[in-house]
Amino acid sequence: EDKVVQSPLSLVVHEGDTVTLNCSYEVTNFRSLLWYKQEKKAPTFLFMLTSSGIEKKSGRLSSILDKKELFSILNITATQTGDSAVYLCAVEGLRAGNMLTFGGGTRLMVKP
Amino acid sequence: ETGVTQSPTHLIKTRGQQVTLRCSSQSGHNTVSWYQQALGQGPQFIFQYYREEENGRGNFPPRFSGLQFPNYSSELNVNALELDDSALYLCASSFGGQPQHFGDGTRLSIL
Repeated sequence: EDKVVQSPLSLVVHEGDTVTLNCSYEVTNFRSLLWYKQEKKAPTFLFMLTSSGIEKKSGRLSSILDKKELFSILNITATQTGDSAVYLCAVEGLRAGNMLTFGGGTRLMVKP
Repeated sequence: ETGVTQSPTHLIKTRGQQVTLRCSSQSGHNTVSWYQQALGQGPQFIFQYYREEENGRGNFPPRFSGLQFPNYSSELNVNALELDDSALYLCASSFGGQPQHFGDGTRLSIL
């Protein structure tokens, strides 16, 4: 059975801090790993990672995948209060269509 | 470009009733997936539809069923509602190997 574990469960930081969120996984026939940000309702897509060692970057956010050690990290630099959200990691295997298996999420709170 | 839209936003039902949730996929997307998200947890995969056929199913009982229509919109039906069915139900659409994009969900409360 596919499994995704995220850590920490929650995190409180102050504006300007840098945070690192962790995601480890076990999946049959790995296809991709995805990061989403969920504020109130819809998870919004951040990154899709398929290859090891290639950093993906979008503004202050970046992410990298290690397919040998089966983990990914999401970094947020110079955090802002608008970064407060639950960050979800999901893996896509090759069974059951392209279903996503999600971790429990990391709840990030950024204080002014 | 229209995103994924779901209706209704909120719904309150009692145990034993039946419910239908609706989802319109993002323009150009032909695959729809449904997820259940309990409070404080990550979404759990229910099933996926591609070209009007079920294309994969998670660990949910048969009382969870669905449909996809020729315009790629989709319905999730749940029969014999139980208290544990209270959750946020998310629909996501995609095309090919592209990332799934989610709607705002339907919050279902069972009394």
